[in-house]
Amino acid sequence: DAMVIQNPRYQVTQFGKPVTLSCSQTLNHNVMYWYQQKSSQAPKLLFHYYDKDFNNEADTPDNFQSRRPNTSFCFLDIRSPGLGDAAMYLCATSSRIEKLFFGSGTQLSVL
Amino acid sequence: TQLLEQSPQFLSIQEGENLTVYCNSSSVFSSLQWYRQEPGEGPVLLVTVVTGGEVKKLKRLTFQFGDARKDSSLHITAAQPGDTGLYLCAGAGDSGGYNKLIFGAGTRLAVHP
Repeated sequence: DAMVIQNPRYQVTQFGKPVTLSCSQTLNHNVMYWYQQKSSQAPKLLFHYYDKDFNNEADTPDNFQSRRPNTSFCFLDIRSPGLGDAAMYLCATSSRIEKLFFGSGTQLSVL
Repeated sequence: TQLLEQSPQFLSIQEGENLTVYCNSSSVFSSLQWYRQEPGEGPVLLVTVVTGGEVKKLKRLTFQFGDARKDSSLHITAAQPGDTGLYLCAGAGDSGGYNKLIFGAGTRLAVHP
């Protein structure tokens, strides 16, 4: 059974139209991460939550926001998607230093 | 800024061949992880190496962490088509009890029957 679930698997939005991606976990992990992965590039950390503490990477655009209403759920909000935001968005969780568990990702297309 | 460079970027081989991919950095990492990612899926952890010089084996895959904990290699013996995928290395910086990973850009491996 999937332990980190991302919905939807594929998301198409229009230029400038807000979009929300969701992630849920059944592992009860303290930490949840959002990574952006563009074709043939490394996953890039956008931000992460340690419990309720939000940690933004310095180079994450203001256009990206996140919410974690409880331990199980985390959301990625893109306020005004641009063409350059088309990518795979990966959610991951961890409770220990050694291992991250990734979801299957949401492939975002911006038209 | 910590960076991880992986080489080669692409590798296309025949079934049964051996191969090695490399992950290099000028930074020291507390641990280094290798993930395999298939198209349309998230990365799946293969192994974590923690100690300088450490060697770990996972069936036909052999992972080594450099003595100075700045680099790592993955060697696959007798590659199979099922080994096809994107291999990512990721270095961990200790952020106070949990992992914050820096990823390399990956090596895309294709194994042909």
